[in-house]
Amino acid sequence: ETGVTQSPTHLIKTRGQQVTLRCSSQSGHNTVSWYQQALGQGPQFIFQYYREEENGRGNFPPRFSGLQFPNYSSELNVNALELDDSALYLCASSLVGGQTQYFGPGTRLLVL
Amino acid sequence: TQLLEQSPQFLSIQEGENLTVYCNSSSVFSSLQWYRQEPGEGPVLLVTVVTGGEVKKLKRLTFQFGDARKDSSLHITAAQPGDTGLYLCAGQNSGGSNYKLTFGKGTLLTVNP
Repeated sequence: ETGVTQSPTHLIKTRGQQVTLRCSSQSGHNTVSWYQQALGQGPQFIFQYYREEENGRGNFPPRFSGLQFPNYSSELNVNALELDDSALYLCASSLVGGQTQYFGPGTRLLVL
Repeated sequence: TQLLEQSPQFLSIQEGENLTVYCNSSSVFSSLQWYRQEPGEGPVLLVTVVTGGEVKKLKRLTFQFGDARKDSSLHITAAQPGDTGLYLCAGQNSGGSNYKLTFGKGTLLTVNP
């Protein structure tokens, strides 16, 4: 059984650019959640996807968007990058209605 | 907005010492989870507590959920350098369908040999 994987591990972008981060869910998990963890902070919920549709969203602007694919993998897209978007982006997979979310190692994004 | 506050923010101790970290909420959660996160890794779930007053033990770690389900503590006995990491508490509500986690800022623990 493979765990949650994310790519890339690190990424450097400049302000105004767009970025796509990818996540492969743990085998058998049909729900994926994305979190942003700024330096020195706890993770903050961005949104969750189930059955390829957004299933709840945190306090993030529309330039943060996502996709979930039939194989339950997922993408997080961020448009018009800002300096404050620099953070560790975590993906977590789970079974729908399940309490336990399993986190990937994250993608560290630096916006210059 | 539900908030979780963790204290202390930083803790540096010697191997063999005991310690307690705290997690306090402004409101009730259906369950509370504790995670440990190491540099370059995602959080790893240690325990989930659900019932007010519940106590769970995981080897040298003891977790307690307050009677009112608004606060929790993590006690480590005889800390070891391998316990070093960021300890995060997270609240979760069973109402609704997305089961999002609300995290505190964490306690960064350093155990010196």
